[in-house]
Amino acid sequence: EDKVVQSPLSLVVHEGDTVTLNCSYEVTNFRSLLWYKQEKKAPTFLFMLTSSGIEKKSGRLSSILDKKELFSILNITATQTGDSAIYLCAVEATNTDKLIFGTGTRLQVFP
Amino acid sequence: KAGVTQTPRYLIKTRGQQVTLSCSPISGHRSVSWYQQTPGQGLQFLFEYFSETQRNKGNFPGRFSGRQFSNSRSEMNVSTLELGDSALYLCASRSSLGQGVQAFFGQGTRLTVV
Repeated sequence: EDKVVQSPLSLVVHEGDTVTLNCSYEVTNFRSLLWYKQEKKAPTFLFMLTSSGIEKKSGRLSSILDKKELFSILNITATQTGDSAIYLCAVEATNTDKLIFGTGTRLQVFP
Repeated sequence: KAGVTQTPRYLIKTRGQQVTLSCSPISGHRSVSWYQQTPGQGLQFLFEYFSETQRNKGNFPGRFSGRQFSNSRSEMNVSTLELGDSALYLCASRSSLGQGVQAFFGQGTRLTVV
């Protein structure tokens, strides 16, 4: 059965810290891996990764995929209180268009 | 361009009742997916519609059903509600299918079953 596992489940840091969120997956016919940020209700898109070793970057956030070891990491440098959210990892397979989500990592950034 | 709109935003129902949730995708988007989000389970896929056809269905009982109209708006229905159906129901729309097509989520409907 396809599954996505995220770790840690919860993370508490101080502003300025750097965090690394992990996502491992077991999916047949992998197509892409996506990261979302969920602050209140609607998850908002961060990155889509399809190729191994190519880092995607947006400001203080970056992500990379390892298709051999079946995992991805999301890095956030110089964290701010506005980064507090649930970060969701999802995987899409080629034989279906549904997204398989992990349970998410709850990040809390304190001043 | 308006985003994905879900109505109602909040709903309280009693056990045994049925409920219908609505999702209007971004204009021009033809794919609508539904997810159930609970604290312990994360987002669980319910079903996906494209051009009025159900393409995929998740592992939910038959009490959960949906449909999509010709204008791409979608409805989700849950009959004989149970306490465990309390959750945030999220809808996502995409312009088309295939690799690299981003899904946009609505604000969700918070359903509480008492």
